[in-house]
Amino acid sequence: KAGVTQTPRYLIKTRGQQVTLSCSPISGHRSVSWYQQTPGQGLQFLFEYFSETQRNKGNFPGRFSGRQFSNSRSEMNVSTLELGDSALYLCASSLLGAGLAGLGYEQYFGPGTRLTVT
Amino acid sequence: AQKVTQAQTEISVVEKEDVTLDCVYETRDTTYYLFWYKQPPSGELVFLIRRNSFDEQNEISGRYSWNFQKSTSSFNFTITASQVVDSAVYFCALKYGNKLVFGAGTILRVKS
Repeated sequence: KAGVTQTPRYLIKTRGQQVTLSCSPISGHRSVSWYQQTPGQGLQFLFEYFSETQRNKGNFPGRFSGRQFSNSRSEMNVSTLELGDSALYLCASSLLGAGLAGLGYEQYFGPGTRLTVT
Repeated sequence: AQKVTQAQTEISVVEKEDVTLDCVYETRDTTYYLFWYKQPPSGELVFLIRRNSFDEQNEISGRYSWNFQKSTSSFNFTITASQVVDSAVYFCALKYGNKLVFGAGTILRVKS
């Protein structure tokens, strides 16, 4: 079974631009979560989508948004990029979403998209 | 609030030594799951082990074992007979809802 795929793997953008990152979950997985990893803040939860609906959201500004399509693929968008947005963005998929039924299901992570903002 | 603390920033061992990675968590939830993930230099987080809040039985899986103690809110992870390929950053994580809260990570360096 193919793992979680993320595109692109590397991206360089300029301050003020916007960027869209893509994630394809493991086949059959309906939940997709996004995380930001930086040396200073570590791994932080951005948001989670399940069946095309955002179920959870982390403490990030509105410049960070996402969506999920009917095939469970997800995109994350960051508008008006800032230098501090430079990070590794990780996507994770799991079989089920929020709630006790899905609590025990592990999340499988993709290789990440390394975004550099100059 | 949920929080995960990994007090060990970096650990260096020589190959074949046993190494234990510490993890302390905070949560008010009665139902939660704890995970360990490994992040090799390639960057991809790899799922290692999972433990739920109802089951304090400690287990061994190959060279990995873990010690979960609710009384001290700890979920320590041990690698027996470490190998160079075990060198990576190890993250302990607490899951509630479908959100993972990660610790800061412990860098493990295994020298040959």
